[in-house]
Amino acid sequence: TQLLEQSPQFLSIQEGENLTVYCNSSSVFSSLQWYRQEPGEGPVLLVTVVTGGEVKKLKRLTFQFGDARKDSSLHITAAQPGDTGLYLCAGTYGGFKTIFGAGTRLFVKA
Amino acid sequence: GAVVSQHPSWVICKSGTSVKIECRSLDFQATTMFWYRQFPKQSLMLMATSNEGSKATYEQGVEKDKFLINHASLTLSTLTVTSAHPEDSSFYICSASTSQPTRTGLYNEQFFGPGTRLTVL
Repeated sequence: TQLLEQSPQFLSIQEGENLTVYCNSSSVFSSLQWYRQEPGEGPVLLVTVVTGGEVKKLKRLTFQFGDARKDSSLHITAAQPGDTGLYLCAGTYGGFKTIFGAGTRLFVKA
Repeated sequence: GAVVSQHPSWVICKSGTSVKIECRSLDFQATTMFWYRQFPKQSLMLMATSNEGSKATYEQGVEKDKFLINHASLTLSTLTVTSAHPEDSSFYICSASTSQPTRTGLYNEQFFGPGTRLTVL
């Protein structure tokens, strides 16, 4: 059974602080996606990482795929209230199968 | 690109009625679409995988006669909640999948619709 553990489940920080969200598995993924979801809306794709060790940056967000393609992290620098939302990681394996992490609910206080 | 729409965005119905939710990929063809259910402050729960031209594959515990899925074309999948009851009230989200090539093979990327809020009275 494929499992994707995401941590922390909840994070409340002050504006300007940095944070890191982790997704870990014992399984190898062909790719891993990060999504952000706001209340009452569908998840929006932020990034897809494919290659082991890959690092992608999206403004203040840095995404990293582990060398063995079993884990990934999302780092946010100088968080802003607009970053508040539910962050989901999703790992793809076996071609078209995808599993989602439980999500990290981030709240950034002004 | 990769826009997925859902209709309606919200619906309120009486207990015992059926509700149909449409999911469309607007600018790409999706051979596979997924239907999820999301409870408040929780992650997504996969209900079923919908493949164009074939029967949907339901996850364990999801009643296929309760949640009817039709994937008639490469851009449209529908979810019908039959004889809805208050416990079916939830946020339903669809996604459409595309496959992207890499040096080592293909990987699946899902693009989500905006969701449908169903309230059964």
